[in-house]
Amino acid sequence: DAGVTQSPTHLIKTRGQHVTLRCSPISGHKSVSWYQQVLGQGPQFIFQYYEKEERGRGNFPDRFSARQFPNYSSELNVNALLLGDSALYLCASSLNPSSGNTIYFGEGSWLTVV
Amino acid sequence: QKEVEQNSGPLSVPEGAIASLNCTYSDRGSQSFFWYRQYSGKSPELIMFIYSNGDKEDGRFTAQLNKASQYVSLLIRDSQPSDSATYLCAAEGTTDSWGKFQFGAGTQVVVTP
Repeated sequence: DAGVTQSPTHLIKTRGQHVTLRCSPISGHKSVSWYQQVLGQGPQFIFQYYEKEERGRGNFPDRFSARQFPNYSSELNVNALLLGDSALYLCASSLNPSSGNTIYFGEGSWLTVV
Repeated sequence: QKEVEQNSGPLSVPEGAIASLNCTYSDRGSQSFFWYRQYSGKSPELIMFIYSNGDKEDGRFTAQLNKASQYVSLLIRDSQPSDSATYLCAAEGTTDSWGKFQFGAGTQVVVTP
């Protein structure tokens, strides 16, 4: 069975540009979350989506946005990129946002902003 | 700020020995706790989860939870060089934050032959 798939795996952007990251959850999973992991730190929660609705947002600026599609795939958009946005962006899927449901990560998208 | 804290390490463990990793959390409402392993340059992979006070064993791994002390631990028995990685502790949010995980910064484990 396919796990969580993310694209692209690596990308380099210039400050001020925009980036779109994509994620397909595990088949049957309806909840998708996005996390940012800066080198040397643990993943930080950005967004959670379930049934195309935003269920939660972490402490990130409005430059970050996301959406979920009818097939439960998701996009993370980041506008006006800053050097500090360089990180591993992780998509995680779970059955639904109920207590105790495990989240499974994709391989991530490595973003470098220069 | 609700936090999950771990010792950053590195924790050096001889091959065949027991590695003991600790994690504390500040949100007393958290009910579910997870351990992930992350190899350098890779994404986190789930090792195990624990919801109830006490011990939970899965192969060479044992998770321990003490909600009164807000403390979670992971024991790795018979440590192997392939166990060398960063181990992330995560606490799930409370009722209005189900599915949102708060991660610690991770403990780096180095298993030496």
